[in-house]
Amino acid sequence: GAGVSQTPSNKVTEKGKYVELRCDPISGHTALYWYRQSLGQGPEFLIYFQGTGAADDSGLPNDRFFAVRPEGSVSTLKIQRTERGDSAVYLCASSSPLGQGNTGELFFGEGSRLTVL
Amino acid sequence: DAKTTQPPSMDCAEGRAANLPCNHSTISGNEYVYWYRQIHSQGPQYIIHGLKNNETNEMASLIITEDRKSSTLILPHATLRDTAVYYCIVRPGANNLFFGTGTRLTVIP
Repeated sequence: GAGVSQTPSNKVTEKGKYVELRCDPISGHTALYWYRQSLGQGPEFLIYFQGTGAADDSGLPNDRFFAVRPEGSVSTLKIQRTERGDSAVYLCASSSPLGQGNTGELFFGEGSRLTVL
Repeated sequence: DAKTTQPPSMDCAEGRAANLPCNHSTISGNEYVYWYRQIHSQGPQYIIHGLKNNETNEMASLIITEDRKSSTLILPHATLRDTAVYYCIVRPGANNLFFGTGTRLTVIP
């Protein structure tokens, strides 16, 4: 499809394990964002890429969390030594630059639900 | 980033206009007002945005006060499918979005 694609849609893992979540943005979108959402809360910003580089990673909670976007398209969010508190829906979004007729809106994927037992 | 204040929940009768308020008293001159909504188990969806002038699109209207300290999202004829959490966000230029807890709108048959 033409939308943002996230895989896996569901991931169950054990405490202490390593997890990778993948995001395929809309083709041509230069900006890519990761958020996580806990039950009853709004999405919490994690990191924002402009092209291949992280323009703002201030939302990453600690050094167990890392994200890459090596070719400026697909991104992977990596979580080491998972903890039960990492359980959440991880949302990815992409956008075109604001201006030039674009609204700058973020297009979100359906999310990856991570459960850490 | 400017913070926003929204009521936690609202009800609206089906077919009536839904008016969702948002306060953003600390907004600065280069910050846009964005509205997104999130239907249960889906990712957030863009609705509309504005800087100073009122805006309208096929989904909604956005009314921004002259001093820009508050705004109202209007869904002119609410349907059951409009039941969702609505987020009001202020955003400087092309930077990232910071979501609050939003307003849970329930459209009642």
